[in-house]
This record gives sequence, structure tokens and C-alpha cells, in this order.
Amino acid sequence: NAGVTQTPKFRILKIGQSMTLQCTQDMNHNYMYWYRQDPGMGLKLIYYSVGAGITDKGEVPNGYNVSRSTTEDFPLRLELAAPSQTSVYFCASTKMAELFFGSGTQLSVL
Amino acid sequence: AQKVTQAQTEISVVEKEDVTLDCVYETRDTTYYLFWYKQPPSGELVFLIRRNSFDEQNEISGRYSWNFQKSTSSFNFTITASQVVDSAVYFCALSTSGTYKYIFGTGTRLKVLA
Repeated sequence: NAGVTQTPKFRILKIGQSMTLQCTQDMNHNYMYWYRQDPGMGLKLIYYSVGAGITDKGEVPNGYNVSRSTTEDFPLRLELAAPSQTSVYFCASTKMAELFFGSGTQLSVL
Repeated sequence: AQKVTQAQTEISVVEKEDVTLDCVYETRDTTYYLFWYKQPPSGELVFLIRRNSFDEQNEISGRYSWNFQKSTSSFNFTITASQVVDSAVYFCALSTSGTYKYIFGTGTRLKVLA
């Protein structure tokens, strides 16, 4: 089992560029989440999904979009990157027990 | 609204000292789960423990122990005889049966000095 896989691990974007952070899990978990962790800070929930076709906003959704067309995949889209989106992004999944996290994507917007 | 407070931003101890990390939570739900995660310098998030709101038994796992008290809405984590490898950021988290959200505290950075 690979668990939760995130790609890429590192990325540098210019202001205004777009990109998609990929997240896939092979544990057949219904629930998936995207968090961001700013330097020295905790984890803030961006978006989450309780199943294919169902997504909802978390604490800090502005500037991001998500989709959940399959149980396995939960990509996070940044449309117009801004310096405030410089952060480490974690994807996680669960069957409503503990969260299983991916290894994170370190994103810098310059 | 759900909230998790970790008031201790950073703690430094000398190896072999005991240390307690505090976690206070807020929720109106009667069914909820509490968690602790460890984030070592390498950056990954490691699950340590889950507790449900109906189980107030304290738990011990090796040098780690957890004290859950509903009366004070606290779920504190103690490391006995700390080691340098315990140096990490520790997060407390809360999930409730009604929201599907997992809310994290801001974390406590533990530095264990040799």
C-alpha cells in the first residue's frame, strides 16, 4: 500500500501562474482533506470531501478549487498564484478515524 | 464552533526530563475524537493516538501517556524521560461526529537538549 501520495514535492511558481497539486490514496477512504501549513504555524483546512462528487470549504478556501471525480483522487487547484499561498500543503484521507497524511508539497510563489 | 488551543508555543527540556504538552478543546458535540500527531524535523505528520469522547481512560504507550479530562476539556500529553529524538512539533486535533472536519491546534515545538 502506498497510502496517500502527493505530487509534486516541491514547486516554485511565479505570481499569477496556475497549478494543480495532485493527491491520490489507495486505501478506499471516503474522506479526503487539503491542509496548508505556514512556517511555524498549525494546519489550516482548505477544502474537504466526504465522497466522490462532494466537496466543501474549510477555513481558508479563497484562491483554491478542488474536485473529487473518483474516490482515489482529490486534486487542489491554484488558479492565480499569490505570495500569500507560499506554504506546505498536506493532503490527508480517512475512514473517519485518524487522518493519514501525504508527505506534503512545498510551494513557493515568487 | 470547534476549537483546539495549544497555549505552549515552544518548550525546551534537558534529556531525561519529563514534559507535558497541554491541549484544550472546545466543542458542543457530545461525540467527538481527539488526536495527537508528531511532526519531526523531516516534516511528515505521524499519528500518535486517538481518543473518543466516551472513553476517559488514560493511556500509556511506552514513554508516552495521555490524560483526557472532559471536566476541563483537556487532552494532555506527557513524555517521560524525554530523548533527543522526541524533538518535534506536536499537534493536538479534534474531530466531531457532525462536521467531518478535523481541526488542529497551532502546535507545540518541543526541543530536547542533550
